[in-house]
Amino acid sequence: EIVLTQSPGTLSLSPGERATLSCRASQSVSANFLAWYQQKPGQAPRLLIFGASRGASGIPDRFSGSGSGTDFTLTITRLEPEDFAVYYCQQYGGSLPWTFGQGTKVELK
Amino acid sequence: EVLLVESGGGFVQPGGSLRLSCAASGFTFSGYWMNWVRQAPGKGLEWVASIQQDGSARYSEDAVKGRFTISRDNARNSLWLQMSSLRVEDTGIYYCVRGAYEGDYWGQGALVTVSS
Repeated sequence: EIVLTQSPGTLSLSPGERATLSCRASQSVSANFLAWYQQKPGQAPRLLIFGASRGASGIPDRFSGSGSGTDFTLTITRLEPEDFAVYYCQQYGGSLPWTFGQGTKVELK
Repeated sequence: EVLLVESGGGFVQPGGSLRLSCAASGFTFSGYWMNWVRQAPGKGLEWVASIQQDGSARYSEDAVKGRFTISRDNARNSLWLQMSSLRVEDTGIYYCVRGAYEGDYWGQGALVTVSS
């Protein structure tokens, strides 16, 4: 089973700042099947990035994904007030179809 | 518009059973893998089970194997999760999710509470 470890656990930033979130896998993620989600309180998760770097439909271009193998990054270039939320990475592959990271909370500083 | 609407959640005692339903609309249901993902109160996301387009392949996490069964009816655009021998640790919101490699659409979730 591939374990995903996200860091930091919490990121305290101000609107307009850049956010860099990390997701590290215990083994190489096949074909870069790595996705990122945003979840706000009381809401279902929303897909942001898939295939490590491809933006999902309707996602603002301030969100970008990068990385390969075992190290992946979600970058939010300029935080908007609505971007304060919890972010999860997720991989496909191995003996379990999906595994998730434990999440990174982006909070208002 | 893609819509996934879960129902069937509720309160149940340990050892009890519940059946969650997911009604899909706005896309060709038979063309997609479908999944259940859950979230315990205040915790992260946990994959529960997946089913292939025609139902021929099904996967579930070890914690629910032998207790939960995922199924679908493409003619009715419906997905189910039959849950039995429920435990306190099964408490959470259960999401119906479309997708094979990632979840591109999620339902609003159904709350399952297992408590004595």
